[in-house]
Amino acid sequence: GAGVSQSPSNKVTEKGKDVELRCDPISGHTALYWYRQSLGQGLEFLIYFQGNSAPDKSGLPSDRFSAERTGGSVSTLTIQRTQQEDSAVYLCASTGGPGETQYFGPGTRLLVL
Amino acid sequence: AQSVTQPDIHITVSEGASLELRCNYSYGATPYLFWYVQSPGQGLQLLLKYFSGDTLVQGIKGFEAEFKRSQSSFNLRKPSVHWSDAAEYFCAVGPAGAGSYQLTFGKGTKLSVIP
Repeated sequence: GAGVSQSPSNKVTEKGKDVELRCDPISGHTALYWYRQSLGQGLEFLIYFQGNSAPDKSGLPSDRFSAERTGGSVSTLTIQRTQQEDSAVYLCASTGGPGETQYFGPGTRLLVL
Repeated sequence: AQSVTQPDIHITVSEGASLELRCNYSYGATPYLFWYVQSPGQGLQLLLKYFSGDTLVQGIKGFEAEFKRSQSSFNLRKPSVHWSDAAEYFCAVGPAGAGSYQLTFGKGTKLSVIP
């Protein structure tokens, strides 16, 4: 596609429920990143994919967070047993390769009640 | 570990006035440097980037930034601000070497423009 797309754009869930957030990167981009933007915290790196593998998961805040990427394209970020502190905007970015400019999607705004 | 500091949380300028947003970074080598802009409810749009070469880089929407190694700074400037420039601006640094090339962001500077 023309740009990075993310779905849903907004998600409201109850504490304890699982959520899945989806990212469609720019066609042909091999590298994909997930970031979290929390109020007052700025943007924090979560995980990096090169192809379908995730060589850097260092930013995942807990084992409730996981992500996968299939076919070198779509990625899904899953948060299990959501907590109120998970409320944030989750942003996805893709690049043509490591070190190249990251292009961001519009984000998914997650609210955990 | 690398870090980015944007010392101004909120700046208000009049339309037509000049603008400078400050960014200081901490990194052990020459980094990749970026400025992104985020309008309310939107994702991040790249304004400009510095990888190497000329330390004064031009970006979109009339913005420019200057990399000053001695000051570890990458300040963003615009000679004449337009009302549509009101948004939040993020400076980011990325490692210029092997690795995941994750970006480290500053906490952002919110720009308000008075008509």
